[in-house]
Amino acid sequence: EPEVTQTPSHQVTQMGQEVILRCVPISNHLYFYWYRQILGQKVEFLVSFYNNEISEKSEIFDDQFSVERPDGSNFTLKIRSTKLEDSAMYFCASSEGQTNTGELFFGEGSRLTVL
Amino acid sequence: AQSVAQPEDQVNVAEGNPLTVKCTYSVSGNPYLFWYVQYPNRGLQFLLKYITGDNLVKGSYGFEAEFNKSQTSFHLKKPSALVSDSALYFCAVKGGSSYKLIFGSGTRLLVRP
Repeated sequence: EPEVTQTPSHQVTQMGQEVILRCVPISNHLYFYWYRQILGQKVEFLVSFYNNEISEKSEIFDDQFSVERPDGSNFTLKIRSTKLEDSAMYFCASSEGQTNTGELFFGEGSRLTVL
Repeated sequence: AQSVAQPEDQVNVAEGNPLTVKCTYSVSGNPYLFWYVQYPNRGLQFLLKYITGDNLVKGSYGFEAEFNKSQTSFHLKKPSALVSDSALYFCAVKGGSSYKLIFGSGTRLLVRP
């Protein structure tokens, strides 16, 4: 069964460092998303991406965050200058079409720890 | 603005008993509703969705959910709980033209043997 894969599974970084989280969405999916979850709590939307551009972003997704699809298969989330409060589990997801007709498929997550 | 509420932080049930995990929503327009499950240190797995049609929706692992428009609810149910159902359950809603899903705060289900 096709799945969304994420790397790394866990990354530890120093405050102020740049981090790149990588995702390989399901191959025929068109919509891509990043969510984050702090300490097993609420799952928060960060950004959605379609047709090589951001389609929607939340207030959390400020100038320190960026996304791109560099090679047609990977979908990356970059955090330019990490802060302590960026420590969370980051989930990538993809869907065939808009989420009103289909569910999102999530990866297993990348745990980011900022020291 | 779209929102979803899960009023219970935790639900405890004995194995073999029926379970209900509650969810209420607020959207403009027709709601598109989802349930996801998260096992420890894992991603979110899709359980079921309501888009249109029958108010009772059947999903994975024997779960079902009942859409109630007048009560703006979408409660998750299972006739007979298993210990392996113990996990974190999230209700989610999409409304309008937004691409994203909005998740509730989650309900931890604990099924005791």
